[in-house]
Amino acid sequence: KNQVEQSPQSLIILEGKNCTLQCNYTVSPFSNLRWYKQDTGRGPVSLTIMTFSENTKSNGRYTATLDADTKQSSLHITASQLSDSASYICVVSAGGSGGYNKLIFGAGTRLAVHP
Amino acid sequence: NAGVTQTPKFQVLKTGQSMTLQCAQDMNHNSMYWYRQDPGMGLRLIYYSASEGTTDKGEVPNGYNVSRLNKREFSLRLESAAPSQTSVYFCASTDSIYPQYFGPGTRLLVL
Repeated sequence: KNQVEQSPQSLIILEGKNCTLQCNYTVSPFSNLRWYKQDTGRGPVSLTIMTFSENTKSNGRYTATLDADTKQSSLHITASQLSDSASYICVVSAGGSGGYNKLIFGAGTRLAVHP
Repeated sequence: NAGVTQTPKFQVLKTGQSMTLQCAQDMNHNSMYWYRQDPGMGLRLIYYSASEGTTDKGEVPNGYNVSRLNKREFSLRLESAAPSQTSVYFCASTDSIYPQYFGPGTRLLVL
């Protein structure tokens, strides 16, 4: 069964600190992996996308890593800011035929950055 | 450029009532999607439309119908709402085969 599991479920850190969010997946065949940021009451916004051959990708203070062998990804946030408070969702695309590749969404990690 | 817009933002229905959720995008995307998001769960695909004039079922289509009115608009209809359909509904669109841009969501409460 295709699954995406994220940990921790929630996390509280102090402003300026770093943190790492984890994503483990069992999706086959694998096409790509995305991280989204979802602010409270808003729709998800894409942060990064990585294909099988990529093992790291950065977007400002956000750095995502991918280990396709162990089927794990992480999202590292550097020098956190209050505006980083949000849910972070890991999404894995299962490759397939036809016009749509099935997306499997994780339940998200809720991050709270406190001053 | 408003991106993806959804109306209404919030709706309360009684069991058995019907309603239509509206979605529009101004990015000239071919593909549009409807998802629902429930607490503690990932987004789940209800229906999608790969291009104008086509629609296909996603993971959880029961109890819903969709209409791709034109390239810009994709609506989701609940014919007879049930409490299990209480959720947050997101519309998304893309110019590739992967959803990229999400709307702000519609929060639906069915009593």
